[in-house]
Amino acid sequence: AQKVTQAQTEISVVEKEDVTLDCVYETRDTTYYLFWYKQPPSGELVFLIRRNSFDEQNEISGRYSWNFQKSTSSFNFTITASQVVDSAVYFCAVTSGSARQLTFGSGTQLTVLP
Amino acid sequence: SAVISQKPSRDICQRGTSLTIQCQVDSQVTMMFWYRQQPGQSLTLIATANQGSEATYESGFVIDKFPISRPNLTFSTLTVSNMSPEDSSIYLCSVGGQGRETQYFGPGTRLLVL
Repeated sequence: AQKVTQAQTEISVVEKEDVTLDCVYETRDTTYYLFWYKQPPSGELVFLIRRNSFDEQNEISGRYSWNFQKSTSSFNFTITASQVVDSAVYFCAVTSGSARQLTFGSGTQLTVLP
Repeated sequence: SAVISQKPSRDICQRGTSLTIQCQVDSQVTMMFWYRQQPGQSLTLIATANQGSEATYESGFVIDKFPISRPNLTFSTLTVSNMSPEDSSIYLCSVGGQGRETQYFGPGTRLLVL
């Protein structure tokens, strides 16, 4: 069975602050894939990143960065210099070769105030 | 990534009626999935839509309530039958998966049942 825990239900920051969204996952598979998705108020789910279990390199894309640590089963997401347009619900998810479905965390509502 | 469209984008329905949601992809895909997102909740997989055979339903979802069609590799429908207010949710289709590919999501159908 797989499980994703996003302990932060809601986070509120002021524009230009940095913010980190936490994600802790559980899976019995040695090969698995981790994802982050963004869901703005319009409702669509926007893919942000995929990381496989063999690649622990951190990744940076513009203001976004991701910290994958297998030792703590965490895949945290940091937004640098946050902007109002970053306000959304962010979901972390996991899947593995033995499972078809994505298992989502409960999501973190991020509000960036001007 | 594939371009995915859903119809309708939103609807308000009466208790006891049925609604069919369409999902169209701009390219042939092997895997298509249907998810439900209840208000303020995370995403839950309803079923995998298999081309040429019956859909594979997850625990808690049954074919009589959520019949699915997959007539070809670019199209699928999900019907929400005999609706009740508890069916008020966002319904999303996605493509990809199998543990390697990223799942991309359609824009979703917002359903309100009165």
